[in-house]
Amino acid sequence: QSALTQAASVSGSPGQSITISCTGTGSDVGGHNYVSWYQQEPGKAPKLIIYDVSNRPSGVSYRFSGSKSGNTASLTISGLQAEDEADYYCSSYARTGSFVFGTGTTVTVL
Amino acid sequence: QVTLKESGPALVKPTQTLTLTCTFSGFSLTTNGMRMSWIRQPPGKALEWLARIDWDDDKYYSASLRTRLTISQDTSKNQVVLTMTNMDPVDTATYYCVRTPRTEYYFDYWGQGTLVTVSS
Repeated sequence: QSALTQAASVSGSPGQSITISCTGTGSDVGGHNYVSWYQQEPGKAPKLIIYDVSNRPSGVSYRFSGSKSGNTASLTISGLQAEDEADYYCSSYARTGSFVFGTGTTVTVL
Repeated sequence: QVTLKESGPALVKPTQTLTLTCTFSGFSLTTNGMRMSWIRQPPGKALEWLARIDWDDDKYYSASLRTRLTISQDTSKNQVVLTMTNMDPVDTATYYCVRTPRTEYYFDYWGQGTLVTVSS
């Protein structure tokens, strides 16, 4: 199972919107709606921010939203804030019962 | 309150076997649909899913590491154990224990992680 493909870095100014893409195959991202996203601040464990493509857990800011088209899932951060600087990882369930993560994207707030 | 905590050696030598234990509370792995996984992250690199164990003791492994991994559970102690054989310096990473809630396919609770360094 190959890692899902993400851009290495994305940047934006405060208040802007940015989108992070996560590209897989029909065996993972494109095969179902079990895509999740995680935010990881330096030195900390990842935190779930989106599950099942577009659902936000309780307590996660409405500024985070998710979507999917074909084999590509996307995470959008609207109204970018300094506190959003972190690494972001997508994950997908795979048909074999396993999971696969993305290569990770570093978000920088200019 | 759900908590997970990993424990194990911080340093192992090449070719040795690594044994990590995850002790959890606030839920039961015997609850129908519950799942737990191990995930690792080499320094400065991406997350990598390693193995999963389900409430009914079904087990799944990363295809690339299948021959080296064993995951098991001790329900009486609320623990999940991962063993990885033939450790190599490339296995140096922070290892996380994570929970997947009932019948879901994401990781909602993470342990703090434990850094394992492989070096002679």
